Amino acid sequence: DGGITQSPKYLFRKEGQNVTLSCEQNLNHDAMYWYRQDPGQGLRLIYYSQIVNDFQKGDIAEGYSVSREKKESFPLTVTSAQKNPTAFYLCASSIEDRANQPQHFGDGTRLSIL
Amino acid sequence: AQSVTQLGSHVSVSEGALVLLRCNYSSSVPPYLFWYVQYPNQGLQLLLKYTSAATLVKGINGFEAEFKKSETSFHLTKPSAHMSDAAEYFCAVSEDRGSTLGRLYFGRGTQLTVWP
Repeated sequence: DGGITQSPKYLFRKEGQNVTLSCEQNLNHDAMYWYRQDPGQGLRLIYYSQIVNDFQKGDIAEGYSVSREKKESFPLTVTSAQKNPTAFYLCASSIEDRANQPQHFGDGTRLSIL
Repeated sequence: AQSVTQLGSHVSVSEGALVLLRCNYSSSVPPYLFWYVQYPNQGLQLLLKYTSAATLVKGINGFEAEFKKSETSFHLTKPSAHMSDAAEYFCAVSEDRGSTLGRLYFGRGTQLTVWP
């Protein structure tokens, strides 16, 4: 079955440590997105990529970095510069970066601070 | 700029009762509107979408929503609630302009509780 796989499901970060969240899709979608979810806040866009080898900052990109070297993969690194990283992180993809195209979501990674 | 307001962060209904989850949006151009559902510790699942065709949109699991331009609303309804409907629901809006064409703006979510 086609879908989006996020790993790990749970992740713990130590002070000063960078951690990378994996997102893989086999839907052959061009566009991919990373969101951060905090209780009562909805979803906020961190980074997005409209096509392989290209990505753009969203609303809360500070302290995060991404790469898009392959169409199916869009990993997110939470750097030590992100002072409040505890949240639920969701990866999504769509056929193309168009307003009428729905986004498909993975099951998320929950990041906590040790 | 686009924004979404979901009235009521928590809604409780009895099993078999009408479900009404409210969503109002702001958009300077005709919007595309979506409802998503999220079960605990899972991602979001698309319930339905409005993309400028029929104003009454039917989705999965018996849900439907009506686009009302004059009221800038896109409320989600289900005639009879089921225990399995208990989840968090998100309304989202997108506009077909700008560099981020597929950008979704989410409301803060409404937690639906269904009592037996």
